[in-house]
Amino acid sequence: DTAVSQTPKYLVTQMGNDKSIKCEQNLGHDTMYWYKQDSKKFLKIMFSYNNKELIINETVPNRFSPKSPDKAHLNLHINSLELGDSAVYFCASSPQDGQGAPYNSPLHFGNGTRLTVT
Amino acid sequence: AQKITQTQPGMFVQEKEAVTLDCTYDTSDPSYGLFWYKQPSSGEMIFLIYQGSYDQQNATEGRYSLNFQKARKSANLVISASQLGDSAMYFCAIKGPSGSARQLTFGSGTQLTVLP
Repeated sequence: DTAVSQTPKYLVTQMGNDKSIKCEQNLGHDTMYWYKQDSKKFLKIMFSYNNKELIINETVPNRFSPKSPDKAHLNLHINSLELGDSAVYFCASSPQDGQGAPYNSPLHFGNGTRLTVT
Repeated sequence: AQKITQTQPGMFVQEKEAVTLDCTYDTSDPSYGLFWYKQPSSGEMIFLIYQGSYDQQNATEGRYSLNFQKARKSANLVISASQLGDSAMYFCAIKGPSGSARQLTFGSGTQLTVLP
């Protein structure tokens, strides 16, 4: 029943480790995103994929690598974790914008993954 | 580039009263969409309301309405008859062509507390 699901919900790990966060959407949307929410609650786009193709890659360290095996999945792999990577990571998806009303499609968010690096 | 400014880090409102959360935006795009999201303490992001730049009327969704003033580039969220469950962080966001490929650019948020 869940529209956008991401796992795990919580991730606690040590500096230097490699970890992955998985995301799946069952809404049939063609675009998926990763956002990072920092400790001050600010939300910033990291990546966006449209039909498995990368279309946004903001200034994010190359330790972060997204992977989209198919249109319904967008995973985030993080290498060599650092203390500053501690944040909440949100996956989201959106459909095509309406023809008569461009830019009208909201993003549907997963419940977030709280990553804590110690 | 697009930018959203929310100047109220925190707001308080008495239960059953109305409250307005401010949002101003900056964009050079003629066509764009404005969105409001709610983030309760449980952490999920809940879409509330949308306003298109060409919409003639202000958007409404139940107790939520948007006071859209295009010339002033403001899109304030009005919550009527506040309830305790409205206590949450509220984010204003914009989407448009210069934001590249349908991403949402968010403001810094307003923490709303509803008092009993």
